[in-house]
Amino acid sequence: EDQVTQSPEALRLQEGESSSLNCSYTVSGLRGLFWYRQDPGKGPEFLFTLYSAGEEKEKERLKATLTKKESFLHITAPKPEDSATYLCAVTGANNLFFGTGTRLTVIP
Amino acid sequence: GAGVSQSPRYKVAKRGQDVALRCDPISGHVSLFWYQQALGQGPEFLTYFQNEAQLDKSGLPSDRFFAERPEGSVSTLKIQRTQQEDSAVYLCASSLVTVQETQYFGPGTRLLVL
Repeated sequence: EDQVTQSPEALRLQEGESSSLNCSYTVSGLRGLFWYRQDPGKGPEFLFTLYSAGEEKEKERLKATLTKKESFLHITAPKPEDSATYLCAVTGANNLFFGTGTRLTVIP
Repeated sequence: GAGVSQSPRYKVAKRGQDVALRCDPISGHVSLFWYQQALGQGPEFLTYFQNEAQLDKSGLPSDRFFAERPEGSVSTLKIQRTQQEDSAVYLCASSLVTVQETQYFGPGTRLLVL
């Protein structure tokens, strides 16, 4: 059965303090791993898709990496506007299978 | 359209009422998905359409839940005889063609059943 585990559940960082979020997954044949950002009261906003181990993608202060068992979302020198819940998902047969998310708070 | 839109954004229903939630996907997107998101949880899959065909409804929690996409564009999720446990955010997403492509989400409909 597909399973996605995200850690930590919550993370508080000082502005400028870099860190990483983890997404561990168990799937029968990975067809895609997705990172989304979700702000309160809004739908998930697409960030990255990774398809194969070793792949990396970057966007502004965010960098996503993928291994055979997990993905990391690295946040470099975060700003308060990076505060949100970050969701990881893997492609199932006909849907995305999500983790429970990491709630990130960046303090000025 | 510019993105996925959903209406209403908020819905309060009395237990036992029927509700209908609407989703307008991105124009030209073949695949459409419905998810349910409980507070503090990730979205959970409900059902999947490719054009007007409902290819997977394995995530619908009971036969009170029904979804349709009759012309392959707009979709409606209907919940009959609502219960308190149906209170959640209902998210709609669309992708260009396949499940493996990026799914773009709407803002969701927050349903509260009293």
